[in-house]
Amino acid sequence: KQEVTQIPAALSVPEGENLVLNCSFTDSAIYNLQWFRQDPGKGLTSLLLIQSSQREQTSGRLNASLDKSSGRSTLYIAASQPGDSATYLCAVIMGKYIFGTGTRLKVLA
Amino acid sequence: EPEVTQTPSHQVTQMGQEVILRCVPISNHLYFYWYRQILGQKVEFLVSFYNNEISEKSEIFDDQFSVERPDGSNFTLKIRSTKLEDSAMYFCATRQGQGFSGELFFGEGSRLTVL
Repeated sequence: KQEVTQIPAALSVPEGENLVLNCSFTDSAIYNLQWFRQDPGKGLTSLLLIQSSQREQTSGRLNASLDKSSGRSTLYIAASQPGDSATYLCAVIMGKYIFGTGTRLKVLA
Repeated sequence: EPEVTQTPSHQVTQMGQEVILRCVPISNHLYFYWYRQILGQKVEFLVSFYNNEISEKSEIFDDQFSVERPDGSNFTLKIRSTKLEDSAMYFCATRQGQGFSGELFFGEGSRLTVL
């Protein structure tokens, strides 16, 4: 059974820091992986989708990498801003999506 | 940009009442899903639906739950007799027929509160 874990569960950083969020999964037979952002009480905003044939994807200050063989993905956020404060979710795609536990990020002004 | 639309955005109901959550998929999408997120917990898969039948369901999706596409546009999730533990955010998601790797597009969610 696929288990998706995100570390750390919560993170508080000062504005301007570069940071890395981690996502690990137990079954490497995934098709793709996607990162989402979720604001409190709100829906899921897609950030980056990494195809299984890709190693990474970039969008603005965000860079996500995928290493299927080791069961890991990282989301790198450069020059963090208070507006980045949210919960970040990763989901592995195996037909249906299997979501991780999330990382609650707080960026302090 | 096409989007998945969910109604209602928030529903409050009494325990034991029936609830129907509605989703309008993106027009050319063929695969439909419902997910649930209890407050503070992870997003969980409930059910997938293709070609007018359930293709997969989780252990959460018991006899209290049903899904249908009554008019070829709306995709609905019905909870027959709500329980306190059904309180959660329910997300509809849809995708095109791109095999198992296709990206899912999520609605904004319907928050259900059972009193």
